[in-house]
Amino acid sequence: DTEVTQTPKHLVMGMTNKKSLKCEQHMGHRAMYWYKQKAKKPPELMFVYSYEKLSINESVPSRFSPECPNSSLLNLHLHALQPEDSALYLCASSQTGRVTEAFFGQGTRLTVV
Amino acid sequence: AQSVTQLGSHVSVSEGALVLLRCNYSSSVPPYLFWYVQYPNQGLQLLLKYTTGATLVKGINGFEAEFKKSETSFHLTKPSAHMSDAAEYFCAGNTPLVFGKGTRLSVIA
Repeated sequence: DTEVTQTPKHLVMGMTNKKSLKCEQHMGHRAMYWYKQKAKKPPELMFVYSYEKLSINESVPSRFSPECPNSSLLNLHLHALQPEDSALYLCASSQTGRVTEAFFGQGTRLTVV
Repeated sequence: AQSVTQLGSHVSVSEGALVLLRCNYSSSVPPYLFWYVQYPNQGLQLLLKYTTGATLVKGINGFEAEFKKSETSFHLTKPSAHMSDAAEYFCAGNTPLVFGKGTRLSVIA
């Protein structure tokens, strides 16, 4: 199983809402990532978890709050988002180590209204 | 820090023609390079990777790439384009991945 599963696939939320994006993998990977991708742009790294601990936060605003409850799950909690936060949010996982490819989920298309 | 540069934001080829997508890297350390493909409203799928060893790397769907240290390049090729190859292609380096800006490939019937 080389699958990373993201839910929901689509999400529309108001600027005062609180919502969560979920990501799951069962490949035994101990590194998990959140990327943000705007239209016609490459993915931009947001957060990296290694062994369930946050190892990289790319200066992401606090309205995005990541959580890694266990080695298979990764959440992204959203609160008080702005319309410019509308994007495709991609989760990925990989083995730890220096040279390792990442496997991506299908993404959550987020629209903030 | 490593960076990757993709030359050409859009490449258009005829069905059956050679596909060549260009990627150059800059790094002071040995690079680890990847090509990913993204279809509309989808996630990214790994096409191939270079770590160490053989400089000609074969991937899925008939794609291959050659690592050329002298040219700091890692160009992606496919001998004969199919309509199904139309997508966005990203070159990326290192871990965690840093992506190039992407090249959109169009295939004309």
